[in-house]
Amino acid sequence: AQTVTQSQPEMSVQEAETVTLSCTYDTSESNYYLFWYKQPPSRQMILVIRQEAYKQQNATENRFSVNFQKAAKSFSLKISDSQLGDTAMYFCSYSGAGSYQLTFGKGTKLSVIP
Amino acid sequence: GAVVSQHPSRVICKSGTSVKIECRSLDFQATTMFWYRQFPKQSLMLMATSNEGSKATYEQGVEKDKFLINHASLTLSTLTVTSAHPEDSSFYICSARIPSTYEQYFGPGTRLTVT
Repeated sequence: AQTVTQSQPEMSVQEAETVTLSCTYDTSESNYYLFWYKQPPSRQMILVIRQEAYKQQNATENRFSVNFQKAAKSFSLKISDSQLGDTAMYFCSYSGAGSYQLTFGKGTKLSVIP
Repeated sequence: GAVVSQHPSRVICKSGTSVKIECRSLDFQATTMFWYRQFPKQSLMLMATSNEGSKATYEQGVEKDKFLINHASLTLSTLTVTSAHPEDSSFYICSARIPSTYEQYFGPGTRLTVT
């Protein structure tokens, strides 16, 4: 079974600074998809960024980017120019090709400090 | 972007009664929807996968007779918690998969309280 590990239960960052959230996963599949979801205090899950395992280029969405290291099974999220609205729980998740089901990590609570 | 609605957002029911939660994809057709449960300060736990026109697939340990799932159309899936008990109190979240992709978009969740 696939597992997703987020080793940082809580993190904080000063507004306008950069922060990196870590995620590792375990799988025997060669093709899969990785996601970062954000859950603010409203509890609405929001898709932040996605990465297809067959793509070597790291995904970027505005201030959010990932560092995808397939051999190391690592998928970290970098948030640049942190904003107060980035305060949320961040969940790393995995979907194997063909299963469509998401496996979530335990989450990292990020606090952006003014 | 893809929008998924969920209704109701909050519900309080008495022990022994049943409650239905609706999940709708508003601007796309979803052949696959998912139901999750989230306990306070914890991650999402997949309860079941709902496929339009067929029976739901339940995860191990989830009672299918207690959590009835119906995916009657390409835009609507429902979760009915039957004979609810206080231990069923939780935050329930649905998601819908964009066809031909692996992306899921989530509803805003339903807080169920059983008294």
